[in-house]
Amino acid sequence: EAQVTQNPRYLITVTGKKLTVTCSQNMNHEYMSWYRQDPGLGLRQIYYSMNVEATDKGDVPEGYKVSRKEKRNFPLILESPSPNQTSLYFCASIKLSGGTDTQYFGPGTRLTVL
Amino acid sequence: GQNIDQPTEMTATEGAIVQINCTYQTSGFNGLFWYQQHAGEAPTFLSYNVLDGLEEKGRFSSFLSRSKGYSYLLLKELQMKDSASYLCAVRGGSYIPTFGRGTSLIVHP
Repeated sequence: EAQVTQNPRYLITVTGKKLTVTCSQNMNHEYMSWYRQDPGLGLRQIYYSMNVEATDKGDVPEGYKVSRKEKRNFPLILESPSPNQTSLYFCASIKLSGGTDTQYFGPGTRLTVL
Repeated sequence: GQNIDQPTEMTATEGAIVQINCTYQTSGFNGLFWYQQHAGEAPTFLSYNVLDGLEEKGRFSSFLSRSKGYSYLLLKELQMKDSASYLCAVRGGSYIPTFGRGTSLIVHP
């Protein structure tokens, strides 16, 4: 089954404690991205990757890091989380082959930083 | 940069038809997506338009006019389960989708 998986699905942590949210896709897609979603603000892009070892900042990259060492994985790293990073996070992927492109989303990770 | 506008909220009656509009201004254009999102869940893909015209998929249709920077999502024979947020997302010259803030649709009996 084609899918994007994220872990953990729910996380409560404290300010300053480093954490990683994993994202993996099994569709051999080139493009992957991370979004955060906050009430009234919609989906905002944090980072994206066009392929292995090719990452770039989205609209709200401050406080986040990513890596793309393999095509299937795109982890999101919060080196020193702060309460303003409490949000719902989604990972997504697209195959960049043109035509009828579909962006697949992971199930989401609800993060609370105390 | 990119600017995407859609209404914040709409209400409609079960069985009716509703049209959700999306206007955009982008540098370059490589397609427009519509997604449905229920509260707390991931967005699910509804449609993708890259050429002008109407794409129909069952009860859902999506229209695009690139010259006007305009799209709409048409939902027919509304059901209670269609109550959700509907997200318009545009791929600009960089192939990266940018999302509007979403339209919350409330379907009442």
